[in-house]
Amino acid sequence: GAGVSQSPSNKVTEKGKDVELRCDPISGHTALYWYRQSLGQGLEFLIYFQGNSAPDKSGLPSDRFSAERTGGSVSTLTIQRTQQEDSAVYLCASSPQGGLSVLTFGAGSRLTVL
Amino acid sequence: GQQLNQSPQSMFIQEGEDVSMNCTSSSIFNTWLWYKQDPGEGPVLLIALYKAGELTSNGRLTAQFGITRKDSFLNISASIPSDVGIYFCAGQLAGANSKLTFGKGITLSVRP
Repeated sequence: GAGVSQSPSNKVTEKGKDVELRCDPISGHTALYWYRQSLGQGLEFLIYFQGNSAPDKSGLPSDRFSAERTGGSVSTLTIQRTQQEDSAVYLCASSPQGGLSVLTFGAGSRLTVL
Repeated sequence: GQQLNQSPQSMFIQEGEDVSMNCTSSSIFNTWLWYKQDPGEGPVLLIALYKAGELTSNGRLTAQFGITRKDSFLNISASIPSDVGIYFCAGQLAGANSKLTFGKGITLSVRP
């Protein structure tokens, strides 16, 4: 597609449930990032995929968070046993390569944990 | 890890005024970027800076890459109501696989 597509745009779940958030990057972009934006906060880095390299998972806040990227394209961010503090907007971005390339962001998935 | 500092958290200006935003870091970055986020949307790139001392304009926006490579500023001239939003600075270290580090952003309000 023309831009980065994220789904769902809004997700409301109950505490303790698992959720999956999907990101479809721009075709041909090899780098893919997940960020978390809590209310009134900046962009918190979660995980970074670059081509076939091992992902940089250094930003994942706990082992309840995981992400995978299949076939170098679509990525899924999974949050297990959701907690209320997981409520945030989860933003995905992609770029043609790592290094000096700028990021194009999706509109985000807003997660609300009740 | 690297941190980018943006302050204040919010700015309120009158339509037509100029505004300047600063971003500082304790680390040296090779690339500085400025993004704007409208409500309900993802951040959109405004200006990218790749060399120390570089001054780049995009319409009413002007940004500079500081000589020390530890800071950058963004100026908006003759503000208009659609300038409202959150402005993020971002820095990137050298290296093919370096990730972007973002500041916490500044929320700009423009009074008509």
